[in-house]
Amino acid sequence: AQSVSQHNHHVILSEAASLELGCNYSYGGTVNLFWYVQYPGQHLQLLLKYFSGDPLVKGIKGFEAEFIKSKFSFNLRKPSVQWSDTAEYFCAVKQYSNDYKLSFGAGTTVTVRA
Amino acid sequence: NAGVTQTPKFRVLKTGQSMTLLCAQDMNHEYMYWYRQDPGMGLRLIHYSVGEGTTAKGEVPDGYNVSRLKKQNFLLGLESAAPSQTSVYFCASNTILVGNNEQFFGPGTRLTVL
Repeated sequence: AQSVSQHNHHVILSEAASLELGCNYSYGGTVNLFWYVQYPGQHLQLLLKYFSGDPLVKGIKGFEAEFIKSKFSFNLRKPSVQWSDTAEYFCAVKQYSNDYKLSFGAGTTVTVRA
Repeated sequence: NAGVTQTPKFRVLKTGQSMTLLCAQDMNHEYMYWYRQDPGMGLRLIHYSVGEGTTAKGEVPDGYNVSRLKKQNFLLGLESAAPSQTSVYFCASNTILVGNNEQFFGPGTRLTVL
């Protein structure tokens, strides 16, 4: 079965610090990859996605992620975080042959201190 | 467009009671999903539907039933609620257009079973 691992459960940063959240998955075939964000009290929103092409994907709010196929990884980055980036971040993977079901990681809570 | 909506937003049940959660989407999406979100476990798929009149089991289907009588609605039922079903429930939907299978999420239903 597909599994998705997010390395950090809780990350605490100061404003302007750089952020990197790790995500690894176990499926060896073609995948589509997603990062979702959930701000406090809100529903999940898509930050960015990778389907094919350039492995460096840029998303909303200054986030980017890099797909490294050889490492089965899709790490999320932001060079300089803001207090408003406080949220929970979920990595999700869709196996290309597995209709449209997503497998989610456990999530990483990011707290940005002003 | 309202996107994906869920009712109710909050509910408290006693053990053994039943209830139905309603999800509605106005994007004409073919696929719909019910997830539950628990701390440290990310989102886990309960049931999903690939079209009107069809449903399928996800990772954690026990104790839940679903129905999709209309394309725009996906109902999640708890016949006899248990404390283990205390969770936040999210509905999601997506289109089957190639290259655009981002899932759109509803605002969630917070359910407490006493």
